[in-house]
Amino acid sequence: SAVISQKPSRDICQRGTSLTIQCQVDSQVTMMFWYRQQPGQSLTLIATANQGSEATYESGFVIDKFPISRPNLTFSTLTVSNMSPEDSSIYLCSVGDSYSGANVLTFGAGSRLTVL
Amino acid sequence: GENVEQHPSTLSVQEGDSAVIKCTYSDSASNYFPWYKQELGKRPQLIIDIRSNVGEKKDQRIAVTLNKTAKHFSLHITETQPEDSAVYFCAASGGGGNKLTFGTGTQLKVEL
Repeated sequence: SAVISQKPSRDICQRGTSLTIQCQVDSQVTMMFWYRQQPGQSLTLIATANQGSEATYESGFVIDKFPISRPNLTFSTLTVSNMSPEDSSIYLCSVGDSYSGANVLTFGAGSRLTVL
Repeated sequence: GENVEQHPSTLSVQEGDSAVIKCTYSDSASNYFPWYKQELGKRPQLIIDIRSNVGEKKDQRIAVTLNKTAKHFSLHITETQPEDSAVYFCAASGGGGNKLTFGTGTQLKVEL
């Protein structure tokens, strides 16, 4: 399966600032997703990162708050904009396994953000 | 969209006993059902999955069963060991593309 490098692994941020999380994959992948996992909670899909076009956002998530880039098939970024304490979460990049079918997801190690 | 419910939220078993976690889904078009294990501070890891054309799948001590008519699927862990202690998430996809919708998670604790 694909190897995913995600950074930063953790950060402490001030209210009102923005932070960009990077996701690098060691092979070209068709599907890339960004998930959020709030403390002690399940994984919630933020958006599907589409190569060469705008990301597809899930209900409750908007581009102005979570802009996403995907310039090629191995890299994506998620920005958390104008952060508030409610944005304190783990943000996970995931990719679809193109050998077993696009549904099979591998996750990055996650970026743990704490907003003060 | 898809909605996945998972029960129980916490489960304690004695080492060597079996553990069963159950999930239901809402979208009859869903056709792929994976289970992920997440240890504390770690990323979710796929442990087993099943597609809608199969009713049961086993991998050593782990098995998953699927009832498409009732729209529910279950994870069975036999001969539990302390290292099985983790949070387990079920998920479903297929009806709305390739995205996965996750259940709320089950904290499994295997006690010595």
